[in-house]
This record gives sequence, structure tokens and C-alpha cells, in this order.
Amino acid sequence: EPEVTQTPSHQVTQMGQEVILRCVPISNHLYFYWYRQILGQKVEFLVSFYNNEISEKSEIFDDQFSVERPDGSNFTLKIRSTKLEDSAMYFCASSGQGFSGANVLTFGAGSRLTVL
Amino acid sequence: DQQVKQNSPSLSVQEGRISILNCDYTNSMFDYFLWYKKYPAEGPTFLISISSIKDKNEDGRFTVFLNKSAKHLSLHIVPSQPGDSAVYFCAASPYGGSQGNLIFGKGTKLSVKP
Repeated sequence: EPEVTQTPSHQVTQMGQEVILRCVPISNHLYFYWYRQILGQKVEFLVSFYNNEISEKSEIFDDQFSVERPDGSNFTLKIRSTKLEDSAMYFCASSGQGFSGANVLTFGAGSRLTVL
Repeated sequence: DQQVKQNSPSLSVQEGRISILNCDYTNSMFDYFLWYKKYPAEGPTFLISISSIKDKNEDGRFTVFLNKSAKHLSLHIVPSQPGDSAVYFCAASPYGGSQGNLIFGKGTKLSVKP
């Protein structure tokens, strides 16, 4: 069964450092997303991406964050200068449809980011 | 601002019995509701959805009920199996917001005991 893969599974970084989280969405999907879950809290939407541009982003997704689809298969989330509060599990997701019916997202297993 | 609320952080059920997971929402503009299941060290996995124009959707052992007037939905699992033990997230999609901005609840951890 097709799946969304994420790397790394766990990254530890120092505050202020740049981090790139990588995702390979399902190959025929057209819509890509990043969500995050801070420990003990709910899963929160960060950003959606379609046709090589951001289609929607949340308040969390500030100037420290950026997304990119550099090569047609990878989808990356970059955090320029990490803060302690960026520590969370980051989930990548993709979907094949965006504008009719329930938009069923397929999630990756997540990348745990720990900022020290 | 919790637009989607799952007030029970945990639920324990005996194998073979019914599991009922509840979810409340505040925004009447939500048009789809979804349930996701999450095992440790895995991402959320889609389970079942329901459109706001329906009041029930069934898929095997899983049934979701929607009460729009009460802004309440529930997931019924019958019969419950030990493999159903996981965290269940309720999620809502804003009207016309099919770009993936799902709003999740905090989840309910279901434990099914043999």
C-alpha cells in the first residue's frame, strides 16, 4: 500500500539552528501538508501546498518556516532558526483530491524534533 | 480556542463490547468530519468520515453518528478488539476548506482489554 515516508525519524538540534524535515508523498498525490503535534496536545495544521505554492497556512507557520518541493518527489519543511517551542512531532501528509468530498489525508509516521 | 473537543482523554473497554468515542464541535460551518486512528510511532490513519448532510455512516465494525443540532458526533466500534487499542482523533473540515486544513481534537486513547 502506498505510504508517505518521512526523514529523519528523530532530530535533536540546538536552539537557533536550521532544520530541514523531509517527506516523500504518495506519488500520484497532488496536495501536500505539514502538521505538528506538541507532546500532549492536539495535531495542528501548519501549511498546505498545491501546484508548487502554498495554498493555505496557519498562524503557526510564520516567517521562520518555509516549504519546498525541490525535485518533484520530495516535500520539505525548513525551520530557519529553531526555538525551544518548536519541539514537536511533525507530520507530513498528502492527498489525491482537494476540492470534493472528504479530503482524506494520508500521513507519514512523523519526524520528532527536539530543540535543546 | 478548541473548535473540536474530545473531552475524554481515555476509554477502557472489554473485548467484544461496544466502544463509543465522542466528539463535540463549535463551528456550524464544518462540512466533513473524519476519524483518524493513531498507533504509537506511526502517523494518524484515516478510519471513517461523514458528510454534514448525513447523520450516519457505517463501515464494517465502525459507525459514525452525527447530530448537527447538538454539534456532536460519535464513533462506535462493535465489537471492540484488542487491535483497536490506539488514540482516536476526531477532525473537522471547514466548509469549502478542502485544502486539508483539518482541525483535530486532542484525541481519546482507547484500550480494549482481552
